[in-house]
Parts: sequence; C-alpha cells; structure tokens
Amino acid sequence: SQELEQSPQSLIVQEGKNLTINCTSSKTLYGLYWYKQKYGEGLIFLMMLQKGGEEKSHEKITAKLDEKKQQSSLHITASQPSHAGIYLCGADIVGTASKLTFGTGTRLQVTL
Amino acid sequence: GAVVSQHPSWVICKSGTSVKIECRSLDFQATTMFWYRQFPKQSLMLMATSNEGSKATYEQGVEKDKFLINHASLTLSTLTVTSAHPEDSSFYICSARDPSGGVDTQYFGPGTRLTVL
Repeated sequence: SQELEQSPQSLIVQEGKNLTINCTSSKTLYGLYWYKQKYGEGLIFLMMLQKGGEEKSHEKITAKLDEKKQQSSLHITASQPSHAGIYLCGADIVGTASKLTFGTGTRLQVTL
Repeated sequence: GAVVSQHPSWVICKSGTSVKIECRSLDFQATTMFWYRQFPKQSLMLMATSNEGSKATYEQGVEKDKFLINHASLTLSTLTVTSAHPEDSSFYICSARDPSGGVDTQYFGPGTRLTVL
C-alpha cells in the first residue's frame, strides 16, 4: 500500500477560490516537504515542516503539519493561474533528508 | 533556494546505445545526490542515492549494471543508462541534498526526458 496518500488526485478551481490538498502518512514523519512541479519539469521546493502543529506560509500558500506528524495540508488562498501544476508531498520517514517518499501528487488546474 | 541543473534536458537515442545524464549543484556542494524516475502522471520513484567518493546505493529492483551512477565531485553526479531500450524511456530527475542554511532538504534539477527508439 502507498505509504503516503495525497488527496484529491486532481482539482479544478476557479480563479480566486481557495483550495486545500491533503497528505497522509501511515507512519510518524521526521519531516514533510511540499514541492510543486509543472508538467515535464523539475520540482520546486515550497516548504518543509518538522514539528508537530507547525504551520508555515509563503505568499498565498500555507502548509500545516498535525500534532501527530502524520498528516499535512497545503492551503492556497485566492488561487491564481500561476498556482496551476502538480503538488507533491515528500516524507522523510528515516530521520534525514536522505530518503524522501513521495505522494502520488495532486494536479491543480485554475480556470479563469 | 539552491540551484541544481541537469543536462541534457531531453535526449532521443536508438535502442542499444548508452546515454549519460549529468546533474550539477551550481551554488553548493552536495555530498549526496539522488536519482529519480517518473512515469507519466505518476509520482517520483527513487532509483539510487549517489554519494561523493563512494558507490551508489540502489533501491530494490533497480539494476545497478543498467543504471551506472558516478559521483566524482561534490558538484557533479552522472547517470548512464547502458544499452537503453524503449522501456527505459522516462523522465529522469536528480536532486541534491543541501543541509546548510537551516533547511535540510533536497533541491531538484529540471529533469531529463529520455526517449529510446
């Protein structure tokens, strides 16, 4: 079974709407990383969360890690076309950033 | 964030030939680099961990004689796909670990699309 589950698999939102992407692990995590990928391109690092209950924001994107360190959410406020892409969560389940397990990704489309 | 480059960005080759892909960390030294493979509409699959000055560590199911990895310097790792076949066609992405600056994370290259005819 997949160690890291992302939901939803795909999402279509109207520009200006808010959205949330979830990432759930069956194991307690040492760290949770969020990346964004445009089709056929590399991954752009967004944020890393390490502490239970931690929350970080950058521009209109907020990521949270629950107290148990098994679930994270990525929230985008007032979405824009530039937010479109594939969002991937990566989990450090070993204790270093040496081995990241990735979720299946969430494909986001933002319509005008 | 740190910058990682890959070369080439895409390559088309004939079946049976070998292809080398380079991964460079441009503004930091990376003792550890990683090679991933990504199939269409799927997530990244870690192939191997490349350690500077030592042999790469391959994930289960990845043929080390098929995918040769060399990490000769702190800023360069190469992946050579030997005797490539159409089933090796994929998107290959490298990343480099940068533990400095308070955020221990991996920074990814832009990827290399390999098509084997």
